Amino acid sequence: SQKIEQNSEALNIQEGKTATLTCNYTNYSPAYLQWYRQDPGRGPVFLLLIRENEKEKRKERLKVTFDTTLKQSLFHITASQPADSATYLCALSNSGYSTLTFGKGTMLLVSP
Amino acid sequence: EAEVAQSPRYKITEKSQAVAFWCDPISGHATLYWYRQILGQGPELLVQFQDESVVDDSQLPKDRFSAERLKGVDSTLKIQPAELGDSAMYLCASSLAFGGPTDTQYFGPGTRLTVL
Repeated sequence: SQKIEQNSEALNIQEGKTATLTCNYTNYSPAYLQWYRQDPGRGPVFLLLIRENEKEKRKERLKVTFDTTLKQSLFHITASQPADSATYLCALSNSGYSTLTFGKGTMLLVSP
Repeated sequence: EAEVAQSPRYKITEKSQAVAFWCDPISGHATLYWYRQILGQGPELLVQFQDESVVDDSQLPKDRFSAERLKGVDSTLKIQPAELGDSAMYLCASSLAFGGPTDTQYFGPGTRLTVL
């Protein structure tokens, strides 16, 4: 069966460091991969989308990589800030009129 | 900035009762989604509408759940009867276009349901 794995343990880092979150998938050939941020008690907020033929995508302090051979995406936040503390979800979809399948998310805690 | 509205924000009910959630998408958004998110899990799609038509309800437990979007604008999700396992956050999202994989989905704040 299809499986999306994100680190279940929270990632704790110090302010100013680079946070790296991992999304691995099995039995899936996604055409697109998205990353969302979710704060407690709130709905997810879209951050970035990367296509299967793109190796890397950047937006301000955010960078996403997509390795279809390793079946893995890495999500980086550079110069992290306490305000970046949240749960980050990856979501996969195939081409065409398809639904998003979300991972469980990884909580990021950035200490001042 | 336009937002997806949901009500109520919190709902506590007893098992076997009926509950209903309401969602008003961003104006002009053709596609509307209902998700269920159990604590510690990612959102799971229950139903997707394109205008007033259901395009995907494969994960909707149809024996107890129903959803409608009669005029292609706001939507209601109903559970009857509620069961203990239905306790979760119910999220509504909308997207501007036809609901393809590159459309940005905008989520509402969710309704937290607790079934006692």
